[in-house]
Amino acid sequence: AQKITQTQPGMFVQEKEAVTLDCTYDTSDQSYGLFWYKQPSSGEMIFLIYQGSYDEQNATEGRYSLNFQKARKSANLVISASQLGDSAMYFCAMDRPYTGNQFYFGTGTSLTVIP
Amino acid sequence: NAGVTQTPKFQVLKTGQSMTLQCAQDMNHEYMSWYRQDPGMGLRLIHYSVGAGITDQGEVPNGYNVSRSTTEDFPLRLLSAAPSQTSVYFCASSLPGQGTGELFFGEGSRLTVL
Repeated sequence: AQKITQTQPGMFVQEKEAVTLDCTYDTSDQSYGLFWYKQPSSGEMIFLIYQGSYDEQNATEGRYSLNFQKARKSANLVISASQLGDSAMYFCAMDRPYTGNQFYFGTGTSLTVIP
Repeated sequence: NAGVTQTPKFQVLKTGQSMTLQCAQDMNHEYMSWYRQDPGMGLRLIHYSVGAGITDQGEVPNGYNVSRSTTEDFPLRLLSAAPSQTSVYFCASSLPGQGTGELFFGEGSRLTVL
């Protein structure tokens, strides 16, 4: 069975500092995708970054990077130069590419950026 | 661009009542799905569809019904509402084989069952 684990319920980071949000996953599939979504207090789900299981390089999108360690089954999100607007819930998710819209989400990490 | 549109955004029901959450997307996405979000539990898949006329159960399907008569619409029906169905519901769509296949979400519907 697929499972996503986020062990940090809440995190604090100083403005302009970098922060790492942890995510580990469990799957027996060879092909899968790993995603991070941001949910601000307004409630919408915002896609941040994607990593395919066969991608050899870590994904980057602006200030977001995904530290993908396949052997350890981890997909940590790194946010560099934190901004006040980064305060939100962050969800790690995994899909099963050939089984429709089946995504599996972690329980989320609440990030607070301190001025 | 409208993207994924959910209605209503808020709803209060009494136990035993039925209702339908509407979801429509204008991106011609084949895949659509419904998730519920509960505190401390992340998002969990209720039902999903890979195309018109095709639906399947997700992780938590009990008490919900779906149909997919068109590519654009994917309504979620609560047959007899229970307090345990108090949650925030998200509709999502995606297009397989293009880009990352990420989910595009609606804004969410907050449902309270008394």
